[in-house]
Parts: sequence; structure tokens; C-alpha cells
Amino acid sequence: GQQLNQSPQSMFIQEGEDVSMNCTSSSIFNTWLWYKQDPGEGPVLLIALYKAGELTSNGRLTAQFGITRKDSFLNISASIPSDVGIYFCAGRAPGTYKYIFGTGTRLKVLA
Amino acid sequence: GAGVSQSPSNKVTEKGKDVELRCDPISGHTALYWYRQSLGQGLEFLIYFQGNSAPDKSGLPSDRFSAERTGGSVSTLTIQRTQQEDSAVYLCASSLEGGREETQYFGPGTRLLVL
Repeated sequence: GQQLNQSPQSMFIQEGEDVSMNCTSSSIFNTWLWYKQDPGEGPVLLIALYKAGELTSNGRLTAQFGITRKDSFLNISASIPSDVGIYFCAGRAPGTYKYIFGTGTRLKVLA
Repeated sequence: GAGVSQSPSNKVTEKGKDVELRCDPISGHTALYWYRQSLGQGLEFLIYFQGNSAPDKSGLPSDRFSAERTGGSVSTLTIQRTQQEDSAVYLCASSLEGGREETQYFGPGTRLLVL
């Protein structure tokens, strides 16, 4: 099925470092979502974005809806060991019901 | 229940057998989604329900896959004559009305292994 391009695919970082990841699409979306998935569990919503240019924070997480409506970014500041997991972006095109998911960014935090 | 529940949590079956996966959405949520997640991959949309009808079933990979929802609540995803490539985690999500600013809540998934 169709998927977004999400990068990086994986990253190892030191505890306390900031993390950035992004998703790009070939088509315009009107909603961007960012999820975190822990092993053996379903994804949990972190941040939802509904307007181009929107910048939203949730604790140490900040996400932005790109002004072109074809990309989105997620930043995690001052990472901690429990940030480990897989982060997925998801976008929904205008007039559609379904979300298209990115391929995921696997984050590992070294204490 | 407080969240989306799915059963069984794990299912091992032989190639060619039929399987049924169940999803109990959050009470009152009219929108329900099924996704498939292969190992190390993102989520692949399968089907969307609004109430008991499915306005978007474009993600079902073949006619061996079908889903129904009754009473605007429980949904079952049926895979007939399972193949090894059907092995994946099947995730269900629900939202209040499926509208533009609706948050999807996911269940823990059913891990299907076809031998």
C-alpha cells in the first residue's frame, strides 16, 4: 500500500540529546498525526496537526505541519531512555477517510 | 471498556484455514478502522466503518479479506484461505465520529502467524 517517506529509519542517540525526524508526501494532506509505538502494543497518539504552518507542543515533543502541506516534522528535546520506540507519522488527504502511515523511525536512547 | 480491545491477541493458523479477528471499539465511537502492520513496517489501511457501513474498503488486499460491523460496535475481520503473506499484526482503531479533527485510538493488535 501507499506509504509516506519517513526519515531517518533509525537512530541511536545519547540521553539528553535532541531528536528530529520528518515525513514527506507526494500529495497534499490536511491532517498530520504523530504516533509512538512500543513493542507489542498499538500506536499511541502524540500530536495532531490540522493547519499548514501549525506548530504544536506536547511536553518535550514539538511537531510542525509544513507550509507546503506535504511534510511534517517531529522534534524531541532532551531525550530520556523511555523515549525509545518507533515513531510513525500519518497523513490524511482532503476528502478521504483513511490515514497513510510513514515507515517509522526507530529510536534508541543510550543512557 | 476504557479502550479499544482486540481478540485474540495471538493467532497461529495453518495455510488455507479461515480466521476471524475481533475488535471492540471504545463505547460510543462510531468510526472504526482496520490496519495491517507487517514486521518492521508502517501501518497499511484496510477498511473504514462509519456505523455499520464501510464507505472506504479500498485497502482490502484481496477478496479473501472481508469485514463487517454490527450494532455500530463490534467488528470482525475475516481472512479466508489464509496465506503465509497474511502473517502480520492486525490493528483496529476507533474514533468518535471519524471527522476531520478526530483522534484515532488503537487497540493492542492481533498477531497472526500463518504456517
